[in-house]
Parts: sequence; structure tokens; C-alpha cells
Amino acid sequence: KQEVTQIPAALSVPEGENLVLNCSFTDSAIYNLQWFRQDPGKGLTSLLLIQSSQREQTSGRLNASLDKSSGRSTLYIAASQPGDSATYLCAVLHNSKLTFGKGITLSVRP
Amino acid sequence: GAVVSQHPSWVICKSGTSVKIECRSLDFQATTMFWYRQFPKQSLMLMATSNEGSKATYEQGVEKDKFLINHASLTLSTLTVTSAHPEDSSFYICSAPDTYTGELFFGEGSRLTVL
Repeated sequence: KQEVTQIPAALSVPEGENLVLNCSFTDSAIYNLQWFRQDPGKGLTSLLLIQSSQREQTSGRLNASLDKSSGRSTLYIAASQPGDSATYLCAVLHNSKLTFGKGITLSVRP
Repeated sequence: GAVVSQHPSWVICKSGTSVKIECRSLDFQATTMFWYRQFPKQSLMLMATSNEGSKATYEQGVEKDKFLINHASLTLSTLTVTSAHPEDSSFYICSAPDTYTGELFFGEGSRLTVL
């Protein structure tokens, strides 16, 4: 059974800091991995999708990497802003089933 | 990216009534849609997979007679919570995948409160 872990559950950083959010999964035979952002009481917004054959994807200040062999992905946020405050979830597609982590709640202090 | 719209965004109902939530893919066709439930500070829990033109596939422990799913067209799936009870109060979210990349796009979510 695939398990996805995101630690820590919460993170608070000052504005401008570069930060890394971690995601680990137990079964490396994934089809893809996706990072989402969720604002309180809202749905999920897709940030980055990494196919199993890829090592990283970039979008603006965001960069996501994937290391299947070690079962890890990181989401790098450059020059964090208060508007980046949200919960970030990673999810892996494995055996046609999507498994989510519990998310990391990020707070960027002005 | 593709847009998935969910309606209503929030609903309050009395215990024993039924509530319908709609999920629409606005600019693409979705033969498959997924319905999730999310409790506070918890991850998303897949409830069922909605398949256009056929019966939905429910996850273990999810009552199919309680949560009725209809996927009548390539752009619309509905979730009906029948005879709702306070324990059904939750945040329900739908999603649909891009056929070619597998990227998932989510609706805005529907907050159900059963009194």
C-alpha cells in the first residue's frame, strides 16, 4: 500500500526566505507526482506535475524535483511571499490510484 | 490549465434531507471524475471514481446508497448525499484528470453542514 508522508505538518518562515517542502512515498513505482496548493476552505490548485520519467519541473518561483529511487520529492519556493501562505500537498499516482500526503501548512510572515 | 467547477460551494441542510453537488469540466471532456472527502487538517480521502455512462466505483467503506454518483455526460458528474446526517458534514471535492498527462484538476470544493 502506497503511503505518502509530508513532514513537518506546519512551517513558519519570514518573507523573502527560500524554502524546501519535503514529500516521501513508500512505493517508487509511481506514474507521476503532483504538488498542489490549498487555501483554507478552498479546493486544490495544481502547481506542478512531474511524470515518472522526469527529474524536475519549474514554474516561476517554484521548482519540484523527483527522486523515485529514494521515494522523495521536494518543492522549492524561492523568495517566499506572504501570498504563498497555504497548505501544500503532494500526491502520487500509483496503480491507477492517487494517494495524498496530509500537507504542509506554510505561513510566510511579512 | 483545465478548469473544473463545483457547485454549490457551501450548503447547510437539515438532517434527513438530500443534497446534490455538481462537478463540471468547463473546457475539456472528462470520462472519469473523482470525488473526495476532506476532514479538517486531514488529507483528501477518495470516496469514489465516477465513470461516464457507467456505474461509479466506490472505495472500501463508502456506502454507495448513501453517496449516489451520476456521471451522465462527459462534462458533468453529480454527488448526492442522501438522508444526510450531521456526521456527513465535511468538505467534498471533485477532480478530473487531463486525458494525456494525467494531471489532476480540482473543483473549488463544497462545504456541507448538516444540522
